[in-house]
Amino acid sequence: KAGVTQTPRYLIKTRGQQVTLSCSPISGHRSVSWYQQTPGQGLQFLFEYFSETQRNKGNFPGRFSGRQFSNSRSEMNVSTLELGDSALYLCASSGGGGSKYNEQFFGPGTRLTVL
Amino acid sequence: AQSVAQPEDQVNVAEGNPLTVKCTYSVSGNPYLFWYVQYPNRGLQFLLKYITGDNLVKGSYGFEAEFNKSQTSFHLKKPSALVSDSALYLCAVRSEDTGRRALTFGSGTRLQVQP
Repeated sequence: KAGVTQTPRYLIKTRGQQVTLSCSPISGHRSVSWYQQTPGQGLQFLFEYFSETQRNKGNFPGRFSGRQFSNSRSEMNVSTLELGDSALYLCASSGGGGSKYNEQFFGPGTRLTVL
Repeated sequence: AQSVAQPEDQVNVAEGNPLTVKCTYSVSGNPYLFWYVQYPNRGLQFLLKYITGDNLVKGSYGFEAEFNKSQTSFHLKKPSALVSDSALYLCAVRSEDTGRRALTFGSGTRLQVQP
């Protein structure tokens, strides 16, 4: 079974631009979560989608948004990029309806650099 | 609110020696606990989880973890370290009391195994 895939792997943008990151979950997984990883803040939860609906949201500004498609693929968008948005963005998928018992499987991440 | 503490930024052990990576947590209700490992430029790999039952949980690559409810700890252990175990180890918790499926991660512990 193929793992979680994320595209692109690396991205360089300038302040003020916007960016869209893509995530394809493991086949059959309907829950997709997004996390931001930085050296200073560690891993922080952005949002979770299940069956095209946002089920949970972390404490990030409205510039961060996401969506999920009917095939469970997910995208996240960051508008008006700031230097502090430079980070590794990780996508994770989970089976069993995203049950609280289930582990999440992570993709390799997208490394975003904002100049 | 739930939280995870990993008190050691780095742990150094010699190859062949036992290793312990510490994790303590705070949640309301029963905890669901997870350990992940992250190698450079890669996403997180799931090692093991505690949901309920035996306090000693066995996972991938010879790792195990001991759940201690009274001390609110979930330390990761391995009887004999390998150089290839050198990586970032992340402990995470999820509470049964909330509707959130998101994981709350600790800051991570970098394990360095010396030959």
